[in-house]
Amino acid sequence: DGGITQSPKYLFRKEGQNVTLSCEQNLNHDAMYWYRQDPGQGLRLIYYSQIVNDFQKGDIAEGYSVSREKKESFPLTVTSAQKNPTAFYLCASSTPSRRGQGNSGNTIYFGEGSWLTVV
Amino acid sequence: AQSVAQPEDQVNVAEGNPLTVKCTYSVSGNPYLFWYVQYPNRGLQFLLKYITGDNLVKGSYGFEAEFNKSQTSFHLKKPSALVSDSALYFCAVDKRTGKLIFGQGTTLQVKP
Repeated sequence: DGGITQSPKYLFRKEGQNVTLSCEQNLNHDAMYWYRQDPGQGLRLIYYSQIVNDFQKGDIAEGYSVSREKKESFPLTVTSAQKNPTAFYLCASSTPSRRGQGNSGNTIYFGEGSWLTVV
Repeated sequence: AQSVAQPEDQVNVAEGNPLTVKCTYSVSGNPYLFWYVQYPNRGLQFLLKYITGDNLVKGSYGFEAEFNKSQTSFHLKKPSALVSDSALYFCAVDKRTGKLIFGQGTTLQVKP
């Protein structure tokens, strides 16, 4: 089946610990995204990547890091510098871009999300 | 400045009645507009989008949305609500950057 797979579904982090959330897609999508969801705040963009080996910071990148070594994979590391990491994290990807138009207007599809809790 | 506003935290409607979930945007130019739905503990599912053309957009599960440029609105509608439509709905804007900016979300409760 084609889709976006996030793992693990639930993750617990101790104080001072780095953790990595996995995101894999087999949709042949060029662009991938990480969003954070907090109650009452909608979704906020952490990082995004439009092509392999390239990524840009979103609105709330502090305390997070990413890599894009393969088209299919876009892991997110939540570092100890992120002081309030407890949230629902959503990975997404978008359809291949039309030449010269980037990814604008393309539908963004989401994975099932990962819950991260600090213990 | 907030780019997307969903003025209602919750909308309650009886099953079989029409429903409307409101969305207004405040971006310049001609943005692209999206609606997504989220069920508890799940990811977001795409419902529909407006890119250009006809102001009335039809999407999944019988939902539709009307783009109104003069009022900068993109309200989500359905003629007859189902209990299974109860979920969290997000409006989003793409300012032609390929990135989505989301509203706060509106919880829809459909009662039998």
